[in-house]
Amino acid sequence: KNEVEQSPQNLTAQEGEFITINCSYSVGISALHWLQQHPGGGIVSLFMLSSGKKKHGRLIATINIQEKHSSLHITASHPRDSAVYICAVSLNAGGTSYGKLTFGQGTILTVHP
Amino acid sequence: KAGVTQTPRYLIKTRGQQVTLSCSPISGHRSVSWYQQTPGQGLQFLFEYFSETQRNKGNFPGRFSGRQFSNSRSEMNVSTLELGDSALYLCASSLTGTHTEAFFGQGTRLTVV
Repeated sequence: KNEVEQSPQNLTAQEGEFITINCSYSVGISALHWLQQHPGGGIVSLFMLSSGKKKHGRLIATINIQEKHSSLHITASHPRDSAVYICAVSLNAGGTSYGKLTFGQGTILTVHP
Repeated sequence: KAGVTQTPRYLIKTRGQQVTLSCSPISGHRSVSWYQQTPGQGLQFLFEYFSETQRNKGNFPGRFSGRQFSNSRSEMNVSTLELGDSALYLCASSLTGTHTEAFFGQGTRLTVV
């Protein structure tokens, strides 16, 4: 079983819909990251969370440390939101965690006009 | 503020050759991490450098190596290339490599023929 699991793996939505992507992890973490990757490869950091909730524009990220679960929400989705969304964690493991992110498998989001 | 710069963006090499990839981090960032992304294995951690020292290493063979210079720029080297080394190689920089947000470059797409 992977240390970081995302669901769903694929998500198709109509423009304007509310979208939720889920991430569960099985290890102790110091932070959880939500990343966005467009075709062409570059990765953009959306959020880094260690507790609670963060909001940036139409994006909201929440984390529940006790339940080892995080969600990424996109309100009023738009075709330009189409991308791969990746959940990643920084392990709480001392030296073996330096600079290391452990990734989920990604969620491919397609938003149709 | 300039982002993380990776060069070259694309590279085609022949089996058995070696290759060097470069990563210039955001100014002031002292931690540089390298990742390999393939369709089958997803994103995997290669190694992390901080202040010219390798602090952490992933589970890759010794053909994969790296270094960091005093200006925090980092290079990774792959010797005796194999077909399976074809991948997108991404670097990420952060202030300290722990509990800080990671910023990714656009990646270098390596094709081994």
